[in-house]
Amino acid sequence: AAGVIQSPRHLIKEKRETATLKCYPIPRHDTVYWYQQGPGQDPQFLISFYEKMQSDKGSIPDRFSAQQFSDYHSELNMSSLELGDSALYFCASSPGPGELFFGEGSRLTVL
Amino acid sequence: SQQGEEDPQALSIQEGENATMNCSYKTSINNLQWYRQNSGRGLVHLILIRSNEREKHSGRLRVTLDTSKKSSSLLITASRAADTASYFCATDAAGGGADGLTFGKGTHLIIQP
Repeated sequence: AAGVIQSPRHLIKEKRETATLKCYPIPRHDTVYWYQQGPGQDPQFLISFYEKMQSDKGSIPDRFSAQQFSDYHSELNMSSLELGDSALYFCASSPGPGELFFGEGSRLTVL
Repeated sequence: SQQGEEDPQALSIQEGENATMNCSYKTSINNLQWYRQNSGRGLVHLILIRSNEREKHSGRLRVTLDTSKKSSSLLITASRAADTASYFCATDAAGGGADGLTFGKGTHLIIQP
């Protein structure tokens, strides 16, 4: 069965650079979520989209933005990267209330 | 402290024993979910229990929910080495909207062969 696809799986950037992460949700899932998980930390909710419209925002820095496109894929854009942005970034999708289906994550390392 | 705190933070047991992890939360919820995460990998959904349910089973997993105490427990019976992972509880807050789940700190479970 198709799962949530994230790319790239690994990304290395310098401070103050920009990074873009992509997420392809499971077909027919109407909601997409982005989470950030620092080393040894629990996942923190960043932002979500329902039917291509931003639905809710969590602890997403102003330097980050996200959008969902007409084909339902989503992108997380991160600018002016800081060392503290190094983390695993997960995308998840869901067909409605309840279980979230997570991708394998994109590991961002900021040097 | 945050929503969805778990204890213990780490648990090491012998293969074949039962493992119990606990989770506490603060707000009213629609449901509570448990996820498993192998190191550096994605989160895998294990089980969901709704706010009007008290106990749920799935294979070797048993989850309880006590909304009066705002707590839940996950029991893994007859543990196997492959159960070694981090386990997170996550709450879906009441009130609707796609505001995501709030995860606890997780319990790192180690099953000794």
